[in-house]
Amino acid sequence: GAGVSQSPSNKVTEKGKDVELRCDPISGHTALYWYRQSLGQGLEFLIYFQGNSAPDKSGLPSDRFSAERTGGSVSTLTIQRTQQEDSAVYLCASSLRADQPQHFGDGTRLSIL
Amino acid sequence: AQSVTQLGSHVSVSEGALVLLRCNYSSSVPPYLFWYVQYPNKGLQLLLKYTSAATLVKGINGFEAEFKKSETSFHLTKPSAHMSDAAEYFCAVSHSGNTPLVFGKGTRLSVIA
Repeated sequence: GAGVSQSPSNKVTEKGKDVELRCDPISGHTALYWYRQSLGQGLEFLIYFQGNSAPDKSGLPSDRFSAERTGGSVSTLTIQRTQQEDSAVYLCASSLRADQPQHFGDGTRLSIL
Repeated sequence: AQSVTQLGSHVSVSEGALVLLRCNYSSSVPPYLFWYVQYPNKGLQLLLKYTSAATLVKGINGFEAEFKKSETSFHLTKPSAHMSDAAEYFCAVSHSGNTPLVFGKGTRLSVIA
């Protein structure tokens, strides 16, 4: 069956530009998570959605980062005015319910020039 | 607060030898514990999970892990390494299974022919 799909797989952009990263979770999964993976920081939690609401945004590193989820399905992570330290792999995961194991997409590799 | 420590950022074993990847956790409540594997340019794949049932957990690809509360450990083992096991392995913890995962820094496993 289809897994978690993320697009684009790679994104290169200039410092100061805005970027949008997309996540299509597994159909029927109500919980959705965004993580960031970078060399210096390892895997960091960013935000968690249950349905369309985000009960936990504690991991967003600054107000340049935002995310939304519509229709209990697709989620978009937006980074405004990108900085070089935003370069990382952004991973999305979904689970059937919040207490079930998370299934990960292959990530979006973001490079800020 | 929860945390995970993986001892050894890089482990190298010979093909056919025992694999032992160490993970210690810190949690103020009974933890849910997970091991994930990541192949190059891929997302994370769940190997196994502990959710307060049997302390010895069997996962995919011949891996297993034992939960030892007295040692706050959840080490991952495999009796005989295959070349295909070469990857990055992450230990993760959450509490009650409905909070975001907190990951260790990861251990890169190399398998030598």
